[in-house]
Amino acid sequence: GENVEQHPSTLSVQEGDSAVIKCTYSDSASNYFPWYKQELGKGPQLIIDIRSNVGEKKDQRIAVTLNKTAKHFSLHITETQPEDSAVYFCAASNRYSTLTFGKGTMLLVSP
Amino acid sequence: SAVISQKPSRDICQRGTSLTIQCQVDSQVTMMFWYRQQPGQSLTLIATANQGSEATYESGFVIDKFPISRPNLTFSTLTVSNMSPEDSSIYLCSTHRAGEAFFGQGTRLTVV
Repeated sequence: GENVEQHPSTLSVQEGDSAVIKCTYSDSASNYFPWYKQELGKGPQLIIDIRSNVGEKKDQRIAVTLNKTAKHFSLHITETQPEDSAVYFCAASNRYSTLTFGKGTMLLVSP
Repeated sequence: SAVISQKPSRDICQRGTSLTIQCQVDSQVTMMFWYRQQPGQSLTLIATANQGSEATYESGFVIDKFPISRPNLTFSTLTVSNMSPEDSSIYLCSTHRAGEAFFGQGTRLTVV
């Protein structure tokens, strides 16, 4: 089955800096790669996703890149703000129905 | 987007007892999913629940421990049976719409 590795497990940045979280996956058939933000006491919320027919997608301060050859994808957050502090999960799927999650990255943005 | 109401949001239970978690979706959906998130860990899929058929369990999870009901296309329950402290986790229900996964807010279960 699919295996998703996520790094780093924790990331501390100063407000205004950029943050990058990286994930690798094992199943070359995977074609959908979402990123979720989970705040304390809440369920994961989708923040951005990318499908295998594109290499990069951007939404304001958030961008995701995908390298299918190397089987890795990354989340980039620019101009970080304290409210970006949360746990971020990457995931991969080769079917509509099943997601395999990375172990999560705790991002702490200090004012 | 899909709205999923999950309850209870948290509970503290005695070992040996059972807890049933409910999820209500704001529209009809084919599949619902139940995940476990152990402290500081990622989400692990417990089972997939389709209406009108038995749930499909992932490796390491069995129906006797985690019975699931799916009586209609908007509702599902997960029961954590004969609980032990090792069952202390966050349990999340989820569904998909237009290729995107939506989650309930989770149930934080503590077994004492």
